[in-house]
Amino acid sequence: NAGVIQTPRHKVTGKGQEATLWCEPISGHSAVFWYRQTIVQGLEFLTYFRNQAPIDDSGMPKERFSAQMPNQSHSTLKIQSTQPQDSAVYLCASSSGPEQYFGPGTRLTVL
Amino acid sequence: AQSVTQPDARVTVSEGASLQLRCKYSYSGTPYLFWYVQYQRQGLQLLLKYYSGDPVVQGVNGFEAEFSKSDSSFHLRKASVHWSDSAVYFCAASRTGGYKVVFGSGTRLLVSP
Repeated sequence: NAGVIQTPRHKVTGKGQEATLWCEPISGHSAVFWYRQTIVQGLEFLTYFRNQAPIDDSGMPKERFSAQMPNQSHSTLKIQSTQPQDSAVYLCASSSGPEQYFGPGTRLTVL
Repeated sequence: AQSVTQPDARVTVSEGASLQLRCKYSYSGTPYLFWYVQYQRQGLQLLLKYYSGDPVVQGVNGFEAEFSKSDSSFHLRKASVHWSDSAVYFCAASRTGGYKVVFGSGTRLLVSP
């Protein structure tokens, strides 16, 4: 079991560019979660899917952020027109119940 | 609203000393409760969980936590800390049978030599 896989581990973008982050959940897990972590705001819930369907996106910024789960083996978080304030570690987690298992995160730096 | 509060942002203890990290929750009913640990530049790892039954639950690396319904608390304890326990610890809760987890703000633990 490779655990939750996130790619890339680090991404640097220029202001205004697009960033796509990938997450491969643990095989057999039905739920996928996305979080954003910064020093100032701490760990923030963004969105989650269950059986590929979006369930709760209450934490997603209304503009520029979108998430998809086209199949059970991966989910993507896309940020359009990235801004310096989007710089953070983006964490993906998967679960088959209440316990969540986290990936190592993608560190996004927007210059 | 459902919430998890970790009142201590930072805790420093000497190696070999005992440890308690505090966690209070606000949930209707009895939630599922968790402690996660995050080492430098890594994701969160599950330390232990409480669903029901014995209020004292054992986790990995000698950690344990005690659930108190009367106090709405789920404090984490360790009898003797090691320098490698230095990390950020998150308390979390979810409603019974739920998937979405609410995390506390985290407590940064520094173990001094």
